[in-house]
Amino acid sequence: TQTVSQSDAHVTVFEGDSVELRCNYSYGGSIYLSWYIQHHGRGLQFLLKYYSGNPVVQGVNGFEAEFSKSDSSFHLRKASVHWSDSAVYFCAASIRANTGKLTFGHGTILRVHP
Amino acid sequence: GPKVLQIPSHQIIDMGQMVTLNCDPVSNHLYFYWYKQILGQQMEFLVNFYNGKVMEKSKLFKDQFSVERPDGSYFTLKIQPTALEDSAVYFCASSLGHQDTQYFGPGTRLLVL
Repeated sequence: TQTVSQSDAHVTVFEGDSVELRCNYSYGGSIYLSWYIQHHGRGLQFLLKYYSGNPVVQGVNGFEAEFSKSDSSFHLRKASVHWSDSAVYFCAASIRANTGKLTFGHGTILRVHP
Repeated sequence: GPKVLQIPSHQIIDMGQMVTLNCDPVSNHLYFYWYKQILGQQMEFLVNFYNGKVMEKSKLFKDQFSVERPDGSYFTLKIQPTALEDSAVYFCASSLGHQDTQYFGPGTRLLVL
């Protein structure tokens, strides 16, 4: 079975700062990795996904993530955050061989101060 | 992005009663999912559904739970009877293929009293 861990429960930055939200997974085989954003009281919005190939994946709103097999990581980055980026960010994994079930991390609350 | 709708947005129900949560998935999607999120906790997979059948379910998907999508209408999650521990936000998702991006609805907040 696969697991996903997000080591930072809270991250606080100022508008214009860069940010990295960390995600590590444990699974020995091939895996798909995604990031979702959840604004307060709303559903999850898809940000980006890694299938294969180029380990750096570009997403919406200036987000990108980099897959590292050696580190078992898929960290999310943004060069310059806006206050509207304040939300909960979830990393999720899906084993290629399975039925599409997503396993989520506990989420990281990002607060961006104006 | 593609829109998944969920009805109702909130539901309050007495323990022991039946509840049906409705999901209107993206129109050409073939795979459907339910996830459960208890306040302040992570999202957890309940079940997925394809071609009229449950493909996989988790241990959270108790015997009191059932899913169906009759005649291509709403994808529903039925809980009968409900228990206090069923209080949570239930999210529906759909995808075109089973490894394609899943798009989520806004959730139904269920409170069992």
